[in-house]
Parts: sequence; C-alpha cells; structure tokens
Amino acid sequence: DQQVKQNSPSLSVQEGRISILNCDYTNSMFDYFLWYKKYPAEGPTFLISISSIKDKNEDGRFTVFLNKSAKHLSLHIVPSQPGDSAVYFCAALGGGQNFVFGPGTRLSVLP
Amino acid sequence: EAGVTQSPTHLIKTRGQQATLRCSPISGHTSVYWYQQALGLGLQFLLWYDEGEERNRGNFPPRFSGRQFPNYSSELNVNALELEDSALYLCASSLLGASSYNSPLHFGNGTRLTVT
Repeated sequence: DQQVKQNSPSLSVQEGRISILNCDYTNSMFDYFLWYKKYPAEGPTFLISISSIKDKNEDGRFTVFLNKSAKHLSLHIVPSQPGDSAVYFCAALGGGQNFVFGPGTRLSVLP
Repeated sequence: EAGVTQSPTHLIKTRGQQATLRCSPISGHTSVYWYQQALGLGLQFLLWYDEGEERNRGNFPPRFSGRQFPNYSSELNVNALELEDSALYLCASSLLGASSYNSPLHFGNGTRLTVT
C-alpha cells in the first residue's frame, strides 16, 4: 500500500520555464511534508518542507503548495535550470510513522 | 560541518555471505535511519535508531539488523545475502526523532551493495 504517490515517473521542461512536480498521499495523519532532490551516485538532498498548518512555503526558486483537502502537494521550480535535472522525491511524516517517501519523479530540464 | 558519512562506498559480496555497512551521522544528530533503494525503485524504510535504541523497522526480514553506538554512529548488517539485496543503502540522520518537525533527514551518499 503506497501511502505517498508520485504518479509521473518523468517530466521534461525547457530551461527557464516552470517545473511542477506533483505528489499525493493517502494517510490523513501526515502533517509534515518534504521534497528531496537526488543526483546519481549521491544521497538525496533536502530542498524544502511544509507543515500542515500552512498551504505554501517558498525558498528562492522553489515553492511547495499543500492542499490538505485533496491530500496533494506540489513543488514548483521557477525558472528551471539544467542543474535542476535530477530525481525528486516527495516525503511525508506524521501519525507516528517514520518519513515515508514516494517513488520519485525524474526531471529533465532541456537547454 | 561534516555531513553524513557512509562506508564503504561500494561492497561486493556473494550470495549467503554477510555484509556490514557503516554510518556516521552529522555531529549533534541522535537519530539515524537506514533506507534501501533498489534499482528503479524509491526509498524503502529499513530501520530507525535513536539514542542507541531501535525505534522502528520497516517491512524487511530479520536478517536485516543493525545497531547504534554510544557516539550515535550506526551499523547495518545483512545476513545470508540474497541477489535481490543488491541496492543502494542510504543512511540519514536528523536532529531529533521522527516525531519532531522542522528537522529534515540529511542523507549520506550511500553504500552500493552488489550481491553476486
């Protein structure tokens, strides 16, 4: 039973445009959400997080939106850069569980 | 500040052998987590240690075990290796346990285990 889902295995975006990565969760007890970026042969790097008391959190080019009623969050990257090409993981925490990760979305930013 | 360090970087074992993977958390972090990433798959939770105690384990067989030492470093042991154990094993640390917020996981670069 996959509690955190990222239904798009891959996404391609032109440099300078917006990248939107989506994540859905099923456990209503989750109340802290995170996004990680992973390059090949490296560990995931923390990008940005949001708690359930907020619906938006911004950090530079990265913005995370949370829609609790839809159990959906998204990561917006504006403008997208070639260096953003990586696998992005959504993760959730809460309800006494450990961090639960989605399967990841591979983002390719084309020059 | 040094990040999470894992050793070895690569490990090649044959089926039936035992593997030991090591992790040093960020200084001051007391919680250590282990995740498995098999090829093409996401991160599967293995084990969580905090203050020397195993707090939780994922849906893995008992031949996956570990421990946390008084200096908060950790060891993951995999006994009776099987071919499907081939994966990237990631260690992560956080300042506080999983019940604490605004304390994201910080990952090491992993140990690539290959079982032949």
